[in-house]
Amino acid sequence: EDQVTQSPEALRLQEGESSSLNCSYTVSGLRGLFWYRQDPGKGPEFLFTLYSAGEEKEKERLKATLTKKESFLHITAPKPEDSATYLCAVQGPEGGKLIFGQGTELSVKP
Amino acid sequence: GAGVSQTPSNKVTEKGKYVELRCDPISGHTALYWYRQSLGQGPEFLIYFQGTGAADDSGLPNDRFFAVRPEGSVSTLKIQRTERGDSAVYLCASSPTASDTQYFGPGTRLTVL
Repeated sequence: EDQVTQSPEALRLQEGESSSLNCSYTVSGLRGLFWYRQDPGKGPEFLFTLYSAGEEKEKERLKATLTKKESFLHITAPKPEDSATYLCAVQGPEGGKLIFGQGTELSVKP
Repeated sequence: GAGVSQTPSNKVTEKGKYVELRCDPISGHTALYWYRQSLGQGPEFLIYFQGTGAADDSGLPNDRFFAVRPEGSVSTLKIQRTERGDSAVYLCASSPTASDTQYFGPGTRLTVL
């Protein structure tokens, strides 16, 4: 059964304190792994897509990496505005539906 | 350009009533998805359309849930005989094709009293 597990469930950081979020997955043939950011009361906002092991993508203070079993979202020198829930999702070989993890709630204090 | 829009933003109903939730996808996107998100959880897939037809409805929890997309654009999620357990945020997403990035709307918060 396809499954996604994110850890930790919640993470509290001081402004400038770098850290990483983990997304472990099992899927029968990965088409793509997606990272989204979700603010309270809003829909998920797309961040990155990764397609193959070894791939990396960066956007501002965020960097996403992918292996055959997991993905990491590295946050460098975070700011309070990075506070949000970060969601990881996988898509199987036929495309279509995304299977999401439960998310990591990130809080960055000034 | 305009993103995915959903109406209403909030819907409060009584147990046993019928509700309809609407989704307007990004113009030109052929794939449209419905997800349900409970508090503290990630979105859970319900159904997706490729054009006018339902390509995968494996996530619909039971026959009280039904969705249509008659002209290949706007979609309506219909829930009959609502139950308190149906309370959640219902998210809609669209993508150019079924293999592309999905872009989400703001969601409809459904509360069943």
